[in-house]
Amino acid sequence: RKEVEQDPGPFNVPEGATVAFNCTYSNSASQSFFWYRQDCRKEPKLLMSVYSSGNEDGRFTAQLNRASQYISLLIRDSKLSDSATYLCVVYSSNTGKLIFGQGTTLQVKP
Amino acid sequence: NAGVTQTPKFRVLKTGQSMTLLCAQDMNHEYMYWYRQDPGMGLRLIHYSVGEGTTAKGEVPDGYNVSRLKKQNFLLGLESAAPSQTSVYFCASRTKKETQYFGPGTRLLVL
Repeated sequence: RKEVEQDPGPFNVPEGATVAFNCTYSNSASQSFFWYRQDCRKEPKLLMSVYSSGNEDGRFTAQLNRASQYISLLIRDSKLSDSATYLCVVYSSNTGKLIFGQGTTLQVKP
Repeated sequence: NAGVTQTPKFRVLKTGQSMTLLCAQDMNHEYMYWYRQDPGMGLRLIHYSVGEGTTAKGEVPDGYNVSRLKKQNFLLGLESAAPSQTSVYFCASRTKKETQYFGPGTRLLVL
């Protein structure tokens, strides 16, 4: 079993739609969680950190469920420019490493 | 402030040739990483460094060597390239309290 698992998609949605991605992690000692965005043939870039209380940044909302060991990303009012691959990232202090999920591809259609 | 830079951007090698990929960061970060990214595999950690003069193995270290002689530079070497090392290589760096910042990547094709 992979340490961080994501549905690779692709998720094809129309502009204006709301879309949600989930990610599960296996290491219960994981401490920090992030969502990265990666555009085609570009480097990953930090989208947002994920906090236990949940956090929102404009149209993006991230949630963490420690009991079930999953994190989620919700995108409201999708834009064409949201088309990208979204990487779920987990940090565990006992390993000292960031573990990346495979990524979920989102394609927003006009 | 250039952030994280990588050279070269693209390279074609023949099997058995050697090369060095250079990663440089100007953010005074202690930690530096080398990843490879392949279709359907996500990012996999090759080697990493927690400070100048230190290196450690990641998930897929075989066939690669690294050196961190200066805090701002992290070199990734391929002594004898193989077709299986065709990939996109990303370097990243971070401070102890922050998440990682990535370089633009190096695309390597081994024939």
